Amino acid sequence: DVKVTQSSRYLVKRTGEKVFLECVQDMDHENMFWYRQDPGLGLRLIYFSYDVKMKEKGDIPEGYSVSREKKERFSLILESASTNQTSMYLCASSLNGVQPQHFGDGTRLSIL
Amino acid sequence: DAKTTQPPSMDCAEGRAANLPCNHSTISGNEYVYWYRQIHSQGPQYIIHGLKNNETNEMASLIITEDRKSSTLILPHATLRDTAVYYCIVEAGTASKLTFGTGTRLQVTL
Repeated sequence: DVKVTQSSRYLVKRTGEKVFLECVQDMDHENMFWYRQDPGLGLRLIYFSYDVKMKEKGDIPEGYSVSREKKERFSLILESASTNQTSMYLCASSLNGVQPQHFGDGTRLSIL
Repeated sequence: DAKTTQPPSMDCAEGRAANLPCNHSTISGNEYVYWYRQIHSQGPQYIIHGLKNNETNEMASLIITEDRKSSTLILPHATLRDTAVYYCIVEAGTASKLTFGTGTRLQVTL
C-alpha cells in the first residue's frame, strides 16, 4: 500500500514564524502535491512537483514556498505565517500518467 | 466550472449496498473518473477509478454508462465506517491538481 506520511497531525505556530511542513512518500512516486482544505472552499492546490528540484505553482502559491531535494520528500514552507494560513494542509503523491493521487492524513495548522 | 454533479447527501442502512451517483455530462474522451472519500479529520482516501469499463476492487465497484456521461460508485455492503463524504472527480491524469467538488455526504445507519 502507498504510504504518504505528514510529519505532524496538529501544529500551532505564531504570526510571523517560519513554518515547515514535511511530507514523505514511500512508493517512488514522481509527482507530489500540497493542498489546503478550508470549509466551503474545498481543496486548493498550493504547489506541486513532478521531479526532484522541480516545482510548479498551483492556484494559491502566495505566502508559500516548497522544497524537493529528494524524490521521496516534499516540504511546504510558510515564509512568515499569518492567521489566514490557518488551515488543514494535505500532501499527496502519484506516479506519472493516470494513476491516482494518494493523500496523507493532513496537518491541521493553527496560526495565532 | 464543476465537471461533476453529485447529490449533497444520502443515507444507507448498514449491510445494504450504497449506490452513489455522479453526473459528468461534459467528460472528454481522455478523462478518467476517480472516486475518493474523506472521513472527518482525515485526508482523502482513493477508492477506485476507470475510463469506460466497469471496475471492481476490494473496496467498491464503479459502473460507468456507455455514453460515459454518468457513473455510480457501489459499496456492496455498507458499514458504519463507510460514513464519509464521497467525491467523484473527472481528470485526464493525475500529474496536476485534482478538483474536488462538494461531494456526497453518505450516512450509514444501523
